Amino acid sequence: NAGVTQTPKFRVLKTGQSMTLLCAQDMNHEYMYWYRQDPGMGLRLIHYSVGEGTTAKGEVPDGYNVSRLKKQNFLLGLESAAPSQTSVYFCATTSSDRTNYGYTFGSGTRLTVV
Amino acid sequence: GQQLNQSPQSMFIQEGEDVSMNCTSSSIFNTWLWYKQDPGEGPVLLIALYKAGELTSNGRLTAQFGITRKDSFLNISASIPSDVGIYFCAGPLYNNNDMRFGAGTRLTVKP
Repeated sequence: NAGVTQTPKFRVLKTGQSMTLLCAQDMNHEYMYWYRQDPGMGLRLIHYSVGEGTTAKGEVPDGYNVSRLKKQNFLLGLESAAPSQTSVYFCATTSSDRTNYGYTFGSGTRLTVV
Repeated sequence: GQQLNQSPQSMFIQEGEDVSMNCTSSSIFNTWLWYKQDPGEGPVLLIALYKAGELTSNGRLTAQFGITRKDSFLNISASIPSDVGIYFCAGPLYNNNDMRFGAGTRLTVKP
């Protein structure tokens, strides 16, 4: 029972390259979220999904796209990476009836854009 | 932008000391959550608070939901080295999918 698994754990990209971050959960949770964590900023919501086939924008969605084709997976895409997207990215999940009970987070993906 | 203000930003304490940190906002929150993040890991939920004035404990941790619903406090008693990490407060601003996080309090415990 892995919980929430993020891949890759580390990645270095050149400006303009694209990549996809994968979040996989085995808890059968409906809700999934992508956050970025920057020094002194806490965590900021990028996009989220309340169920398979649905996505919505969060606080800082520009430069990112997401897809939720399967309930257990939530993908975060960067089409043309910029240095400002250097950050640690966290995926989180919760069930639809426990959204105010806190989230379960993955271990993060550390992305550096040079 | 940032809705939750945490203080202090960092703390350096001796093992065995008690710790207090707080989180304030200009907005009213109906839920307050406290998370801890260990180095290289994602945040883990410590305590959840749902009613103004509520005081909840989890082992050596105690958290309170402020009466005004605009603040919350976290206390750690008799700190130990494994308490090292970043402590975040969080709360849903408009709905439970719009969870906002404070910038965190970084705790260092000297043995």
